[in-house]
Amino acid sequence: EVQLVQSGAEVKKPGESLKISCKGSGYNFTSYWIGWVRQMPGKGLEWMGIIYPGDSDTKYSPSFQGQVTISADKSISTAYLHWSSLKASDTAMYYCARHGSEMATPGNFWGQGTLVTVSS
Amino acid sequence: SYELTQSLSVSVALGQTARIPCGGNNIGSKNVHWYQQKPGQAPVLVIYRDRNRPSGIPERFSGSNSGNTATLTISRAQAGDEADFYCQVWDSSTVVFGGGTKLTVL
Repeated sequence: EVQLVQSGAEVKKPGESLKISCKGSGYNFTSYWIGWVRQMPGKGLEWMGIIYPGDSDTKYSPSFQGQVTISADKSISTAYLHWSSLKASDTAMYYCARHGSEMATPGNFWGQGTLVTVSS
Repeated sequence: SYELTQSLSVSVALGQTARIPCGGNNIGSKNVHWYQQKPGQAPVLVIYRDRNRPSGIPERFSGSNSGNTATLTISRAQAGDEADFYCQVWDSSTVVFGGGTKLTVL
């Protein structure tokens, strides 16, 4: 059974760094793209970027380029989303989603989400 | 950049058919995917590549795509179908989501 399990909720202060994780199981982690999606409170889905764990090929949404870093450690089947300096506007739910073996495919398996709260 | 336009809300009577449109320039030339998100839950893929249902999705869910509009159709609507629905395409190696439509079953 394909599963994506995300790390737990985080409460941070502005300016702090943060890395959240998404651990895949039940499939060959290196062969499928994993994307990240932001959902601000009461708002819609926003695509942030995507990574191919097999070779770490990464694409970013222009809206998030330079704001976050997406990475993956294939030895532990885990993808990451990293902020070096959080802002209050980063407060949101973040989802990872597994796409297909080709990039331009839908997210057919989703993690449970990680709630990030940034407040002074 | 490519944009997808969705109505904010759609209402349907219990047992009737709901149609949720998704507009985009020549969207008929793209593969459209649809997600259902219930309150407090992660999105779930309900239609991929315009009209295909993943395993476990009821046959009541169907999709079409032509010209400038893709449509998600939910037949025999049930109370449990109430959710936000998002259309999605790929454009220039990026994912584009529609703004989402809230489906209310009356």
